Amino acid sequence: GAVVSQHPSWVICKSGTSVKIECRSLDFQATTMFWYRQFPKQSLMLMATSNEGSKATYEQGVEKDKFLINHASLTLSTLTVTSAHPEDSSFYICSANGGQETQYFGPGTRLLVL
Amino acid sequence: AQSVTQLGSHVSVSEGALVLLRCNYSSSVPPYLFWYVQYPNQGLQLLLKYTTGATLVKGINGFEAEFKKSETSFHLTKPSAHMSDAAEYFCAVRDSGYSTLTFGKGTMLLVSP
Repeated sequence: GAVVSQHPSWVICKSGTSVKIECRSLDFQATTMFWYRQFPKQSLMLMATSNEGSKATYEQGVEKDKFLINHASLTLSTLTVTSAHPEDSSFYICSANGGQETQYFGPGTRLLVL
Repeated sequence: AQSVTQLGSHVSVSEGALVLLRCNYSSSVPPYLFWYVQYPNQGLQLLLKYTTGATLVKGINGFEAEFKKSETSFHLTKPSAHMSDAAEYFCAVRDSGYSTLTFGKGTMLLVSP
């Protein structure tokens, strides 16, 4: 089946530093990937839609200069949290559009900003 | 605009009992409907989906769901709960013309021995 990986699975960083999270589709190509954020005991909130070779589309209220998204190839999208602060601590999950109108999700990346 | 309502943030069942997780949606066009399961500290795994065709869809781990257009519902069921079913379940809808998913708030399924 379609597999999506994320790296790293855990990251702890100091306030003010930048963190890059990678999302890869391992056995299929994905022209569209999505980035979600999930707070404890809450649902997933779509942050942005990442399109290969073009600019990402951000949801209302998401700062595009803070959450930089790059979708340089059909199997890789990256999310960079710039100048991270404690309030950016969260669980970040990516997904990729596979076949048959289905999104396949990565295992998530837990970010803790100290 | 699409929306998804999952009734009950928590559902508790005994092992072997019927599982019923409720999902109602609103959509202006024929929807695609999905159920995902999330285990602690993990991403989402697709359980089943409805796009077109047969309204009763079967998924993995013995789960199934029925699309009822008249009731705008897509409830998830399993005849007999297993301890390993304990997890959070998310219902999601996607309009056929768009690629983004809208999720419900999730239902935590608790299974007791």
